[in-house]
Amino acid sequence: QLQLQESGPGLVKPPETLSLTCSVSGGSISSSAYYWGWIRQPPGKGLEWIGSIYYTGNTYYNASLKSRVTISVDTSKSQFSLKVTSVTAADTALYYCARNNPISSSWTDWGRGTLVIVSS
Amino acid sequence: QSALTQPASGSGSPGQSITISCTGSSSDVGNYNLVSWYQHYPGKAPKLMIYEGSKRPSGVSNRFSGSQSGNTASLTISGLQADDEADYYCCSYAGGTTYVFGTGTKVTVL
Repeated sequence: QLQLQESGPGLVKPPETLSLTCSVSGGSISSSAYYWGWIRQPPGKGLEWIGSIYYTGNTYYNASLKSRVTISVDTSKSQFSLKVTSVTAADTALYYCARNNPISSSWTDWGRGTLVIVSS
Repeated sequence: QSALTQPASGSGSPGQSITISCTGSSSDVGNYNLVSWYQHYPGKAPKLMIYEGSKRPSGVSNRFSGSQSGNTASLTISGLQADDEADYYCCSYAGGTTYVFGTGTKVTVL
């Protein structure tokens, strides 16, 4: 059973950098069949796709966040990571990591999410 | 990339049916038959309920069904049960390995 677990600081000061890691177990992060991604949910709002990465390191970002977001993968640790620079209160959200099936374009497995609050 | 539009809320009595709409554009929903739907209980991981517009993953009840017409996709929950009370989100492929989610619908079982 695939498991994804988000980790990282729960509080970040503006305009610092938000950094999160997703640890993958029960499946291979190097599988050619899947992509990996980050999705967030601000308080009281809907889900927002942040970006995705393939095990080769190819990345795809939400255009609205692209200038501030970097997603990377470390296959040796079975982890992928998210960095968001110059954060503001608007980046306060529940951040989820998830696995994507590119054939069906669906998010098949999710972590439980981690809350990040941006506040001085 | 604007969020797909969903009604903020919907409700029904046990045993009834409810349909949730998800309206996008010709750049996403209308251009690809690649809408997926997720059930989300607060504090828990979202769960895939429908993919490719109308297909159910193994283990998902056949009370959940999906359809699409033009720029609008729909999720129907038939035979409403108490544990169907959750938030539901649609998501569409938008080209270039990008995605857009819906605004979310809170379903209440009366």
